[in-house]
Amino acid sequence: KNEVEQSPQNLTAQEGEFITINCSYSVGISALHWLQQHPGGGIVSLFMLSSGKKKHGRLIATINIQEKHSSLHITASHPRDSAVYICAVNGDSNYQLIWGAGTKLIIKP
Amino acid sequence: DTAVSQTPKYLVTQMGNDKSIKCEQNLGHDTMYWYKQDSKKFLKIMFSYNNKELIINETVPNRFSPKSPDKAHLNLHINSLELGDSAVYFCASSRGFRTEAFFGQGTRLTVV
Repeated sequence: KNEVEQSPQNLTAQEGEFITINCSYSVGISALHWLQQHPGGGIVSLFMLSSGKKKHGRLIATINIQEKHSSLHITASHPRDSAVYICAVNGDSNYQLIWGAGTKLIIKP
Repeated sequence: DTAVSQTPKYLVTQMGNDKSIKCEQNLGHDTMYWYKQDSKKFLKIMFSYNNKELIINETVPNRFSPKSPDKAHLNLHINSLELGDSAVYFCASSRGFRTEAFFGQGTRLTVV
């Protein structure tokens, strides 16, 4: 079992839908990251969280430390949001980023 | 200006060759990383450098060696390339460990 699990693995939705991607982890962490990998391969950092909630535009990320769970929400989804979204955590006991397998999101017009 | 830049973007080479991928960051960050993304799109850390010292060296073949001429650069050298080395390699940087990481665009290496 991976230390960082994402769900769903694949998600296809219609433009305008509210999207939720989940990330659960089994280790103690100091921070959690959400990243976006574009179809062309480039990776962009979206959020870094250690508690609570952050919002950038149509993107919202939340984390519940007690439940070891984070969610990434996209409101009013658009085809340009189509990408792979990756959750990664900084463990307490080491400096590495532990990666989830990613969620492939496709937004249809 | 690109914050983290990698060159080349694509690299096709024959088995047995030696190649390098360059990475430069203009963010003034102290920590740089190399990641390998496998065919399943899973990212695995290979190396990280903090203030020119190798902090983490994962169990990668010693054919791979990171070289950091200065804080802004972390180059990846690969000797005696093998077919299994074909992957996308990402460079990243951050202010320190446990801070937001910024990624390069990736280098797609194909060994034929």
